[in-house]
Amino acid sequence: GDSVTQMEGPVTLSEEAFLTINCTYTATGYPSLFWYVQYPGEGLQLLLKATKADDKGSNKGFEATYRKETTSFHLEKGSVQVSDSAVYFCALTSFSGGYNKLIFGAGTRLAVHP
Amino acid sequence: VTQTPKFQVLKTGQSMTLQCAQDMNHEYMSWYRQDPGLGLRLIYFSYDVKMKEKGDIPEGYSVSREKKERFSLILESASTNQTSMYLCASSSPPWDTVWPNTEAFFGQGTRLTVV
Repeated sequence: GDSVTQMEGPVTLSEEAFLTINCTYTATGYPSLFWYVQYPGEGLQLLLKATKADDKGSNKGFEATYRKETTSFHLEKGSVQVSDSAVYFCALTSFSGGYNKLIFGAGTRLAVHP
Repeated sequence: VTQTPKFQVLKTGQSMTLQCAQDMNHEYMSWYRQDPGLGLRLIYFSYDVKMKEKGDIPEGYSVSREKKERFSLILESASTNQTSMYLCASSSPPWDTVWPNTEAFFGQGTRLTVV
């Protein structure tokens, strides 16, 4: 079945460092791809999305490009802040059993230190 | 999306209903559990009142959708392997052509511990 694989965390960075969180996927068909973020004590919220190959999603300084040839959707940010500390989930849309649904990766915890 | 309660401790064998309510007029609602290293796994979803479908891990759970804005997750007889964070989400219906472009809205979660 369809699946998402994320790099294991935790990722620990100093403030203003460059961030990359890797995400690769396996899917039949042509999924849309998402990054969701979960701040401490909160639910998930959409960070960015891309719906077709070579699309770049961006929000709050984060970017990710839909790479169909490498089945990847890596999350990047040029200069992280302490406030970016959170758990990041890569996800895709999947059609199976007659329904569309979201499939999530395991999540990657990011800790940013001053 | 509002989930209640935020925290709950149950004894093995007790029953419990987790509540989820949304005010965005969404037809589609779903329940996930979140476990370290496993991410989010889909338990049940509903695309209409009184309609429900099993997700990937429905065993040990049931659901109720009596009103469009509410979707409840029921544990009839709790077991320790149901200790987890439970998240409810709502969105536009997944058969909409625009669905892949829309956002799923999540509640803050219910942290459930079964002892």
